[in-house]
Amino acid sequence: GNSVTQMEGPVTLSEEAFLTINCTYTATGYPSLFWYVQYPGEGLQLLLKATKADDKGSNKGFEATYRKETTSFHLEKGSVQVSDSAVYFCALSDTTGNQFYFGTGTSLTVIP
Amino acid sequence: DGGITQSPKYLFRKEGQNVTLSCEQNLNHDAMYWYRQDPGQGLRLIYYSQIVNDFQKGDIAEGYSVSREKKESFPLTVTSAQKNPTAFYLCASSIGGVMYNEQFFGPGTRLTVL
Repeated sequence: GNSVTQMEGPVTLSEEAFLTINCTYTATGYPSLFWYVQYPGEGLQLLLKATKADDKGSNKGFEATYRKETTSFHLEKGSVQVSDSAVYFCALSDTTGNQFYFGTGTSLTVIP
Repeated sequence: DGGITQSPKYLFRKEGQNVTLSCEQNLNHDAMYWYRQDPGQGLRLIYYSQIVNDFQKGDIAEGYSVSREKKESFPLTVTSAQKNPTAFYLCASSIGGVMYNEQFFGPGTRLTVL
């Protein structure tokens, strides 16, 4: 079946540090992959997505590359800011576009 | 401005009472979803609907009910049969049935049972 596994948190970084949050998936066919961000008390917002192998999604300095050979979609940012503190969810949608699967979320805290 | 609205943002309920959470979208999406999120936890799917007048149970449907009489609306009722209803509830929608589409989320409703 389909599933997503992401790095356990919480993660605490100093401002301007490099961020990596690991995400791997299991899926049949060619799923679409997403990273969502959730700020305290709010819903999830789409951060970036990739729809086929070797695609790179990017937004607000965050990047993730769809790696089919390693079934991974790791989130990276070169220099984090305090405002990046949030919970990050990796997700996939199956090839029907009807079913979505989420990782358990990784909490990030950036300290000045 | 297109999006998903959920109301109310905070809801308090006494034990033994049913309560209905509202979810409305003006994105013209066919598919709608309800998730439950507990502190420090991921999302768990309660119900989803791919088309008007049809819906399916998710992973944790017991103690919940839904209806889908209109494309724009997908209300969730938390019944007294739900043993531990205090949680953050998120509604989402997507185009449905199309590869590469993402889910859009509402701002959530925090339900507290007193």
